[in-house]
Amino acid sequence: GNSVTQMEGPVTLSEEAFLTINCTYTATGYPSLFWYVQYPGEGLQLLLKATKADDKGSNKGFEATYRKETTSFHLEKGSVQVSDSAVYFCALREREAGNMLTFGGGTRLMVKP
Amino acid sequence: EAEVAQSPRYKITEKSQAVAFWCDPISGHATLYWYRQILGQGPELLVQFQDESVVDDSQLPKDRFSAERLKGVDSTLKIQPAELGDSAMYLCASSQETGLNTEAFFGQGTRLTVV
Repeated sequence: GNSVTQMEGPVTLSEEAFLTINCTYTATGYPSLFWYVQYPGEGLQLLLKATKADDKGSNKGFEATYRKETTSFHLEKGSVQVSDSAVYFCALREREAGNMLTFGGGTRLMVKP
Repeated sequence: EAEVAQSPRYKITEKSQAVAFWCDPISGHATLYWYRQILGQGPELLVQFQDESVVDDSQLPKDRFSAERLKGVDSTLKIQPAELGDSAMYLCASSQETGLNTEAFFGQGTRLTVV
């Protein structure tokens, strides 16, 4: 079946540091890939997505590239801010699995001033 | 801005009692999802509706959990009897459809504590 594996957190960074959160997936076919973010006390929000190999999703300074050869979708940001502190979830949808949205375990990011 | 509404935000219940959660999706969204998120883990799908019909409930513990969406709009998730292991965040989400690239919109969740 489908699965998503994320690096364990928490990830603690200083403001303006470079961020990478690793995400790898297992799927039968060609999934669409997503990053969701959950700020404290709020629900999950879509951050970015990519729908085919080599696509790059981007939003709010975050980027992730769909790498089919390494089955990865790592999240990056060049300069994090305190306001980026949240939990980040990698997810996929695959047609062979009825387009069900499957999530990774989440990675908590803490950015210190 | 349209959003998914859930209530209550917090619920404390004793084990063996019944508990219910309510969700009102974004207007016009045909697909509704209930997820369970155990602390420190990612959300796991419990049940998915397309209009009033259940599309997937393979991960729903049917001996104690039930879900309905009678008119294809709002939905109720019930647990009876509640067990200590049911303590978690229960998230509702909705989307216009179930396409491969479709974004799901999430509510703020109901945090359940079973004591």
